[in-house]
Amino acid sequence: NAGVMQNPRHLVRRRGQEARLRCSPMKGHSHVYWYRQLPEEGLKFMVYLQKENIIDESGMPKERFSAEFPKEGPSILRIQQVVRGDSAAYFCASSPASGRGGLPWFFGPGTRLTVL
Amino acid sequence: DAKTTQPPSMDCAEGRAANLPCNHSTISGNEYVYWYRQIHSQGPQYIIHGLKNNETNEMASLIITEDRKSSTLILPHATLRDTAVYYCIVMNYGGATNKLIFGTGTLLAVQP
Repeated sequence: NAGVMQNPRHLVRRRGQEARLRCSPMKGHSHVYWYRQLPEEGLKFMVYLQKENIIDESGMPKERFSAEFPKEGPSILRIQQVVRGDSAAYFCASSPASGRGGLPWFFGPGTRLTVL
Repeated sequence: DAKTTQPPSMDCAEGRAANLPCNHSTISGNEYVYWYRQIHSQGPQYIIHGLKNNETNEMASLIITEDRKSSTLILPHATLRDTAVYYCIVMNYGGATNKLIFGTGTLLAVQP
């Protein structure tokens, strides 16, 4: 059973370009969460999605960042017009459907975004 | 979700048991205790979780006090590869907008 997959693992963009980060949850998991880790800092929650719905985007920057989790295919975190401050590791996690108490989340290996 | 308190760092000799404490004095009855770790800059790795009873798996044991206000993660025979930041997190799984909130964790340094 494959774990959470993220690609690309490393992404280099110049200022002003767009970055697209993809996350495929574990089989049977319908909830996806995105986190960002700036250099030498902790993990910060960004957004929580279920299929075709954004449940909680309280940690998303107000501009340039968006996320989706379509009915088919991976979840996408999109950053428009990247700036150097967007350089970070972006992790996604997945979990089974809610209502089943106490099941753990599993994280992917992350995408390391470098903005030149 | 309840807040947790962990020591910022700990050392442990290779081959010895590592005991990592966590205080969660405001935990409520339907909140679970989760432990994750992050080795260098890899993705967080799930270790173990529990509600009331002590738990054990192939990686670690989790001891939760009877009043549930604190817990201890035990790595029975620490190796150099266990050097990582360990996070203790409490979360009410049944809520509609649950999310794991990571604190600063404990940096465990396993010494040869």
